[in-house]
Amino acid sequence: AQSVTQPDIHITVSEGASLELRCNYSYGATPYLFWYVQSPGQGLQLLLKYFSGDTLVQGIKGFEAEFKRSQSSFNLRKPSVHWSDAAEYFCAVARYNNNDMRFGAGTRLTVKP
Amino acid sequence: DSGVTQTPKHLITATGQRVTLRCSPRSGDLSVYWYQQSLDQGLQFLIQYYNGEERAKGNILERFSAQQFPDLHSELNLSSLELGDSALYFCASSGRGGNTEAFFGQGTRLTVV
Repeated sequence: AQSVTQPDIHITVSEGASLELRCNYSYGATPYLFWYVQSPGQGLQLLLKYFSGDTLVQGIKGFEAEFKRSQSSFNLRKPSVHWSDAAEYFCAVARYNNNDMRFGAGTRLTVKP
Repeated sequence: DSGVTQTPKHLITATGQRVTLRCSPRSGDLSVYWYQQSLDQGLQFLIQYYNGEERAKGNILERFSAQQFPDLHSELNLSSLELGDSALYFCASSGRGGNTEAFFGQGTRLTVV
């Protein structure tokens, strides 16, 4: 089965600094990749997704992610972090035929003023 | 608002009891997913239904079962509850075809005492 690894459990960045959250996946075929964000007490909101085509995808709230097949990675980036970005971020991988979406363990982002 | 409705929002019950969590997917979505989120296990995929049929099964205990009804709403049944079943249970839904983007409900917080 497909799986996702998010190596960083917790990241702290200063407001205005750049951000990169790492995600590595394991899947034999072309994956469908996603980044979700979860604010405290809330459900998950989709930030962006990759199905095919351009490997650099733009999402909401100024986030982007780059699919690198050679590295089995789908890292999330943002050039300048805002305090409101503090949340838990989840990377996920799914299979087309089975829609079997698996999530990573999540990375908690803290933003320092 | 994701369009996915979960009821109840909170549930407190005793060990050994049985509960039913309900999910109404977004209008037109055929797939329903159930996830369990706990502090120690993270976001675990439990089970997926597509148009009434089980499509994929994850880390779902034998004490747990689910079904999707003809009107596409889904129920997750948890029986012989244990303290360790206390968690946030999320339902998500997605559309047909190649669009595997999942929209999440706000979750049901289950507390077993």
